[in-house]
Parts: sequence; structure tokens; C-alpha cells
Amino acid sequence: DTGVSQDPRHKITKRGQNVTFRCDPISEHNRLYWYRQTLGQGPEFLTYFQNEAQLEKSRLLSDRFSAERPKGSFSTLEIQRTEQGDSAMYLCASFSVYNEQFFGPGTRLTVL
Amino acid sequence: AQSVAQPEDQVNVAEGNPLTVKCTYSVSGNPYLFWYVQYPNRGLQFLLKYITGDNLVKGSYGFEAEFNKSQTSFHLKKPSALVSDSALYFCAVRARGYQKVTFGIGTKLQVIP
Repeated sequence: DTGVSQDPRHKITKRGQNVTFRCDPISEHNRLYWYRQTLGQGPEFLTYFQNEAQLEKSRLLSDRFSAERPKGSFSTLEIQRTEQGDSAMYLCASFSVYNEQFFGPGTRLTVL
Repeated sequence: AQSVAQPEDQVNVAEGNPLTVKCTYSVSGNPYLFWYVQYPNRGLQFLLKYITGDNLVKGSYGFEAEFNKSQTSFHLKKPSALVSDSALYFCAVRARGYQKVTFGIGTKLQVIP
């Protein structure tokens, strides 16, 4: 257990539905990342927060994706109008001041 | 744009033998480099990092990695492999001054008893 939790662990949804995932990072870490990982690939960067500010966002991220980190604590990732291509593992990681990332267990999304 | 190449999909090594998992990178400026391990049905775990200083860095579980600036490589090594080292290994890079971390596609390490 890295100290980073994600909820839910699994989500099955129908195409066109909206989904929201939550990440609770290690409390003293002010930096938080979201990644997407598909089978046979490494994690792909989606977005980065420092405290509550979203400072960087992948150009691959469509407008259907949005992320928030209110009050610089937990973070949410929302996908609107899901598509089958969104099926993947969504990973959250919090980043220590020593440049070490601690990953959560991930949320596996299946879009039918 | 930064990138990471892990040229081997799979590395097989006999238990007790030394192992090497290769990684090369491309980034503007000086890099931060990382190795992560993913065991079956478990999340990614940090192994080691290169930030600055000594080119040979030591990490968890007896692993080490050597930063070679001229060859833009950061190969992962262990002197004596264990069956329990069998897992998926990811190399990652971050450019100094930027936050985006780019991962390789991973190398599956199989340690044969």
C-alpha cells in the first residue's frame, strides 16, 4: 500500500455515460498526476496539479476529460460522453519533494 | 518532445545471474530518470531515480541503474536475479523545469529458476 487510494477500483459503463473517479493522495504531497494506461503500454500522462492548480494538461486529452483538485487535497477525473476508446486503467500518483511518485491502485474503466 | 525507449519486450535470465533491463531516453536539457516496477495485479512501485550526482544510483530490492549521458541511457541492473524479481519494469523521464513524466512501454522480466 503506497498511501494513495483511488475509488472506484472498477467501473463498467455504457457508451455515452459520464463517469467520475476520485484520488486521495498522500496528504503531505502537494503534487498530483493523472495517467492512463492501456494493455501493453506504459502510463500516459494526462494532467498535473500543484496544490489546487492544474498546471499542465496533455494535448491528447480531449474536451470530454476534466480534472479538479479542490483545496489541494483529493482530486477527481471526469470523463463525459464516454467512448469505447476510453477503456483503460486510470492511475493517480502523488509526488514527493524527493521526486518519487507513489501510485494508487488505479481505476479500471470498461466502456461497453 | 521527450521519449523513452525500452528496446526489449521481454528479458529472460536464470536465477542467480546478473540482469540488465535497457532504457534510452530523449529529452531537452538534463533529465530526471526513474525506474518503476509493476508486479501482477499490483500497482506501480518506485524503484530508483537519478536526479544529479553519482551516475550509479542504488534503489530498492538490490537494484541499481547507471546514468550514461553520452549514450542517453539509464539501464537497470541487479547482480543476482531472484525469481521474485519477475515483473514488468518501466523506465521514465522528466525534463528539469517541466512536470510531464514520460514512461516507456515496459519490459517484462522473467527470472527462471
